[in-house]
Amino acid sequence: DAKTTQPPSMDCAEGRAANLPCNHSTISGNEYVYWYRQIHSQGPQYIIHGLKNNETNEMASLIITEDRKSSTLILPHATLRDTAVYYCIVLPTNTGNQFYFGTGTSLTVIP
Amino acid sequence: DVKVTQSSRYLVKRTGEKVFLECVQDMDHENMFWYRQDPGLGLRLIYFSYDVKMKEKGDIPEGYSVSREKKERFSLILESASTNQTSMYLCASSSVGQGARTQYFGPGTRLLVL
Repeated sequence: DAKTTQPPSMDCAEGRAANLPCNHSTISGNEYVYWYRQIHSQGPQYIIHGLKNNETNEMASLIITEDRKSSTLILPHATLRDTAVYYCIVLPTNTGNQFYFGTGTSLTVIP
Repeated sequence: DVKVTQSSRYLVKRTGEKVFLECVQDMDHENMFWYRQDPGLGLRLIYFSYDVKMKEKGDIPEGYSVSREKKERFSLILESASTNQTSMYLCASSSVGQGARTQYFGPGTRLLVL
């Protein structure tokens, strides 16, 4: 299974873009990159996912490098409500639908 | 919007009690999952179900059982609760098919076993 590596914590000023990196150097060609976040004491919230192309939705943008070995989640204008733990996950294709959440990046948005 | 609901946000039970955690999803998803989340251990899969009356063990099924009698409902059962089952329990659901299989999570049930 492809593993992911994320920095344990990051700070971001309110109103600025938050760029959260993820390394997944062992990713296979047909594995998706997913991002979730978890606000304290709540269930994980789906943010975005992608395979090869960059993706954007109302919450965030996902930039995947051409070699697919890393990606960056971008929150364009961070707010205090974006303070959460962000998880980068690679969905393996040979073990059904199991998502393996690591320890993620704890993002703190500072006023 | 996909909605996954769990029967309780907080639950306190005594050692040896039988505990039922209920999960309901409204998106007609085939797959449903039960995880537990503990500090420093991330999310660990307990059981999942890919169809009514079907179930598969996850990574840590010991001490748990599940029931899926209807497509929208997936129950987690602690046959005889123990203190090491104090945890946050998360239910999720997803559809099937080629490509991405996004899982949508419920709000979680924080269980304390005394």
